[in-house]
Amino acid sequence: RKEVEQDPGPFNVPEGATVAFNCTYSNSASQSFFWYRQDCRKEPKLLMSVYSSGNEDGRFTAQLNRASQYISLLIRDSKLSDSATYLCVVNYGGATNKLIFGTGTLLAVQP
Amino acid sequence: NAGVTQTPKFQVLKTGQSMTLQCAQDMNHNSMYWYRQDPGMGLRLIYYSASEGTTDKGEVPNGYNVSRLNKREFSLRLESAAPSQTSVYFCASIQDLGSRPQYFGPGTRLTVT
Repeated sequence: RKEVEQDPGPFNVPEGATVAFNCTYSNSASQSFFWYRQDCRKEPKLLMSVYSSGNEDGRFTAQLNRASQYISLLIRDSKLSDSATYLCVVNYGGATNKLIFGTGTLLAVQP
Repeated sequence: NAGVTQTPKFQVLKTGQSMTLQCAQDMNHNSMYWYRQDPGMGLRLIYYSASEGTTDKGEVPNGYNVSRLNKREFSLRLESAAPSQTSVYFCASIQDLGSRPQYFGPGTRLTVT
């Protein structure tokens, strides 16, 4: 079983749609969680951190369920510019600040 | 600030050749990392350096060596390139160890024939 699992997609949605991505992680000791965005042939860039109480940044909402070891990302009112791969990332913390990356979910927003 | 920079952007090597990938950051970060990204595999940690003067193996260190030249620079060396090392290589950095996100360079696309 992969340490961080995501549905690879692709998710093809029309502009204005709401889309949700899910991610599960296997290590219950994981300490912090992030969503990164990666455009084609570019480096990953931090989209948002994920907090236990849930957090929102504009059209983006992230949720964490520690009991179920589950993270989600909700994108409302999708824009063409949201088309990218979304990476779920888990940090085990400790002495290495080691990040474990999911393989990503591809989102394609259609006009 | 340039953030994290990497050179070269692209490289083609023949099997058995050697090369060094360079990474530098101007954010005064203590910790630096090298990852490789392959289709369907996600990013995998090759080596990391928690602070100047220290380096440690990550998930996939075989075939690579690293040098933390100073606080700014962290290089990755392939001594004898193999086709299995064809990948995109990303360098990343962070201020210090802890539960914080990392910042990535633009990547080096390496093909080994």
